[in-house]
Order: sequence, then structure tokens, then C-alpha cells
Amino acid sequence: AQSVAQPEDQVNVAEGNPLTVKCTYSVSGNPYLFWYVQYPNRGLQFLLKYITGDNLVKGSYGFEAEFNKSQTSFHLKKPSALVSDSALYFCAVRDPYSSASKIIFGSGTRLSIRP
Amino acid sequence: GAGVSQSPSNKVTEKGKDVELRCDPISGHTALYWYRQRLGQGLEFLIYFQGNSAPDKSGLPSDRFSAERTGESVSTLTIQRTQQEDSAVYLCASSSGLAGDTDTQYFGPGTRLTVL
Repeated sequence: AQSVAQPEDQVNVAEGNPLTVKCTYSVSGNPYLFWYVQYPNRGLQFLLKYITGDNLVKGSYGFEAEFNKSQTSFHLKKPSALVSDSALYFCAVRDPYSSASKIIFGSGTRLSIRP
Repeated sequence: GAGVSQSPSNKVTEKGKDVELRCDPISGHTALYWYRQRLGQGLEFLIYFQGNSAPDKSGLPSDRFSAERTGESVSTLTIQRTQQEDSAVYLCASSSGLAGDTDTQYFGPGTRLTVL
């Protein structure tokens, strides 16, 4: 069965510093991996996805994520954090070879950027 | 349509009443998902539709919850005899549902349900 874990409930970073939000997954084959962001009082927005190819995926708002197959991880990163990045971030995984499979979301990590 | 829409955006109801929440997916998307998000919490999967059938309804918390989809389009989530613990934001998402597709989900703005 597929699963995804976000080990940190909260990440606190000073503005201008690099940030990392961690995600690990478990799936039988090669996964499809996603990051979504939820700003306060708003719906979830798609940020980026990994399907195949280059392990470093670039997404919206300057975010990127690195797929690491050996560590089964897909950590979200940004070189220089902004206060406006403060939001709830969700990692998600899908097994593309499982019929009628659904995307599984992690429990979310609240990112707080202090000025 | 341009995006996933949900109605109503807010619903306040009294304990014991029934409510219906509506989701209009992106046109052509065959997969549709319902989630529940309690205040400050993560996403709780409720049900997944592929076309008009629901291959996975494992997340429905009780028999008070039901959902249907017609015409491979609109879906309604019905909660009967609402309880205060049903208070949450109910999110709908749709995706292409095509085999082998990346199946990126696109979310609606949600319906905020408050049960008094």
C-alpha cells in the first residue's frame, strides 16, 4: 500500500534563510509525487510534481523539490524564504501502476517564516 | 469550467439537520475526490469517484455520510443528522483520471460547514 509521511508538524525559518520541508513516501513502484500549498483561508494550490526524469523539480514561487529514490524522499526546498511563504504544505504520492488508485496526502507541515 | 467550484461557500446548520454540499469539477475530469479538513488539520480522505462510480469510499466516517455523482460531472456530498463534530471545511478536487496520466488534482475553494 502506498503512504506518505511528513515528519515535522511545524518548521520555523528566518526570512532570507533556506528552507526545507521533509517528505518520505512508500509505494511499490516508481511514484508520482506532488507538493501542494494552502494559504490561510484558501484552498489547496498545486505547487510542483515529479513524474520522471531530472530528480530536481522546479515549481511555483521559487520552490523546488528533490526526488531521492534511495532514501524514498521528496523534500521541498527554497534557497531564500519569504514571509509570504508562511502556509500549510502537503506532500502527496500516487502509485501510477495501480488501477483506480488515489492520491495519498501527508498530514501537512506548517511553515512559519519570521521577519 | 475554468476550475473546480463548490457551493455553498459557507453553511451554518443546526444539529440534527441534513446538509448537501455540491462540487462542480473541471470539465472533462473523470476523477473526483472529497476531503474533510478540520481547523488547522490535514486532509482527511472521504471518497473517490471514477466516472459515476465510487471505487473507494473507505473514508466516509459513518453511514450518515453519502455521496453521489451523475453525468460524470457534478457530485453531491450529503450529511444526514449533522453533529457538531461534522464542522469542518469540505474540499472537492478533480483530476483527469486517465490511466497513466499524472493525475494532478485541482482543488475547489471548499465549503465551510458549521454545525451549531
